[in-house]
Amino acid sequence: DTGVSQDPRHKITKRGQNVTFRCDPISEHNRLYWYRQTLGQGPEFLTYFQNEAQLEKSRLLSDRFSAERPKGSFSTLEIQRTEQGDSAMYLCASSSPGASGGSPSLSSYNEQFFGPGTRLTVL
Amino acid sequence: AQSVTQLGSHVSVSEGALVLLRCNYSSSVPPYLFWYVQYPNQGLQLLLKYTTGATLVKGINGFEAEFKKSETSFHLTKPSAHMSDAAEYFCAVRPGSARQLTFGSGTQLTVLP
Repeated sequence: DTGVSQDPRHKITKRGQNVTFRCDPISEHNRLYWYRQTLGQGPEFLTYFQNEAQLEKSRLLSDRFSAERPKGSFSTLEIQRTEQGDSAMYLCASSSPGASGGSPSLSSYNEQFFGPGTRLTVL
Repeated sequence: AQSVTQLGSHVSVSEGALVLLRCNYSSSVPPYLFWYVQYPNQGLQLLLKYTTGATLVKGINGFEAEFKKSETSFHLTKPSAHMSDAAEYFCAVRPGSARQLTFGSGTQLTVLP
């Protein structure tokens, strides 16, 4: 399967613990996104990478959250000192450079491909 | 800033009936518009997208949507609902200059036998 993968799929932790999630994007995609989805809501943007550079961060990304993409391939999202309000589905997506930055097909331009998500429960 | 409003958090239709899911957006620049579907415990799958050109966009599984700039709408339709269409549907906007998507709060579609 060559889609976006995320690990783990489910994580239960106690308040105050640190957790780390991993995302493996589609191999030729240089853009990677993290979103958070709470129950009954649409996904909310957290942060975005182009290759290894973190180019944008939402104000939702408090200082307890850190994301990395050290080699421009997989990414990790760490939450320190988890709180019950952090309970959510964490979604990763990737996309190709687009017509201006590479040679993907027009049909894939701008499309973000989502992984299955990591569901975090903080007790 | 951009935003997306999906009217109706829950929509029920009978199998074979028309599906209409409403989406209105606001954006300060010409947007790209998307509809995604999410099945339980799964990620989002792209149904269709509008970037430029023809305002009536056809997607997968028989869905289509029409971009109406004057109404700032991008409603999703399907002529005949199937039981397998039961899922949550999200409308999203991406202003041309941005990279991230802004999603609506979603519409849960129930298909009744």
